[in-house]
Order: sequence, then C-alpha cells, then structure tokens
Amino acid sequence: DTGVSQDPRHKITKRGQNVTFRCDPISEHNRLYWYRQTLGQGPEFLTYFQNEAQLEKSRLLSDRFSAERPKGSFSTLEIQRTEQGDSAMYLCASSTGEETQYFGPGTRLLVL
Amino acid sequence: AQSVTQLDSQVPVFEEAPVELRCNYSSSVSVYLFWYVQYPNQGLQLLLKYLSGSTLVKGINGFEAEFNKSQTSFHLRKPSVHISDTAEYFCAKLNEKLTFGTGTRLTIIP
Repeated sequence: DTGVSQDPRHKITKRGQNVTFRCDPISEHNRLYWYRQTLGQGPEFLTYFQNEAQLEKSRLLSDRFSAERPKGSFSTLEIQRTEQGDSAMYLCASSTGEETQYFGPGTRLLVL
Repeated sequence: AQSVTQLDSQVPVFEEAPVELRCNYSSSVSVYLFWYVQYPNQGLQLLLKYLSGSTLVKGINGFEAEFNKSQTSFHLRKPSVHISDTAEYFCAKLNEKLTFGTGTRLTIIP
C-alpha cells in the first residue's frame, strides 16, 4: 500500500485553458475527498465520493469544476476555463468510512 | 461561524523547548478532532486524532493533545521540539468532511 497518489504534482497553465487532475486513493478506501488550499490558509472542502456516488459538493465548486469517480476507484477533478483565482494546491484524501482521512501530496496549480 | 479556530498564526520556539499549539472548536453532539502536519510543498500527514475515550491522545513524533470538552479545546503539545518539527500544523474537525483551522506555522530556532 503506497498511500494516496496524485498526478500531476505541478501544473502551470494559461488562463482559459482546461486542466484535469487525477487522484488514486488507498486501495479499498470507499470514500474519496477533494480539498483546495490557497496560500496561508487551511484546506477547504470541495466534494466527496462514496464509491462512485458524489455525495456532497461545496459552494466553492463552481460550474467550471467537475469531479468524477467512475468505477469507485480513482477520481478526476477537471477545471474548465481556468482563472487566476483557481491557483491553489488541490488535495485528495481517502478513508474507509467516517473517520481518518489520509492525504495525497497534492497538485499545485498555477494559472498565468 | 468558524468551526475550528487556531489563534496563533506563527509560533517561534527555541530548539529543545516545549511548545503548545492552540485549537478551539465549535461544540457539537459528537466531536472528532484531528491534528495534521504539513511540510513545505507536501500534503498533510496525520499527527493524532481524538474520536472517543481517553482525553489525552498521543501521536507520532512525540506530539500529544488533550481534548477538553468544557473549554472546547484540543491543544497540541510537545515537551521538547527539534529542528525537524518546523512545519505548518492544522487542527481539524470532522463532520462527514474535515473543517480546518487556518494553521499555525511552527518555527524552531536553533
């Protein structure tokens, strides 16, 4: 078990471009979470899945954001028409239930 | 209303001195509390957690925290810090999802 992995680790894009991030949770973890962390702040919840079902979405998740977990394993987070305000660290976490969440290394996005 | 409050944004401490990082939470029926550590350009690593039972919780790297229901606090302590403890520390409360405090940057002075 290698823990939660995220790809890519860094992404630089131009404003208006689309980006997609991938998260592979710890195997057999049925819950998967996405958080966003801006500089100097704590992570903020975006959305989470139980298996393939998306159970909750934050108001932070605008229409330009979409997340999927098609087979209940890995998940993708897509941001369309990126804006400079989307620059942040995107963190993925997984858990077996309603307790401890284990985090990946994050994907740092910079929108120019 | 802020669910988790970390009053100290930065805490400088001399090496081998004790440290306490403060965390207060908004009260609720059931409380699951966590401390995570974040080293530069990395994700979050779990230090310790309180789910139930003993109010004194021991974690990794010599850290411990005490759950105090009457004061709605969950302060993190270490009796003697090392240079390697330099990092950002986040307190979090779980209610389906984690709600984090704004973090405390711990700087160890040689």
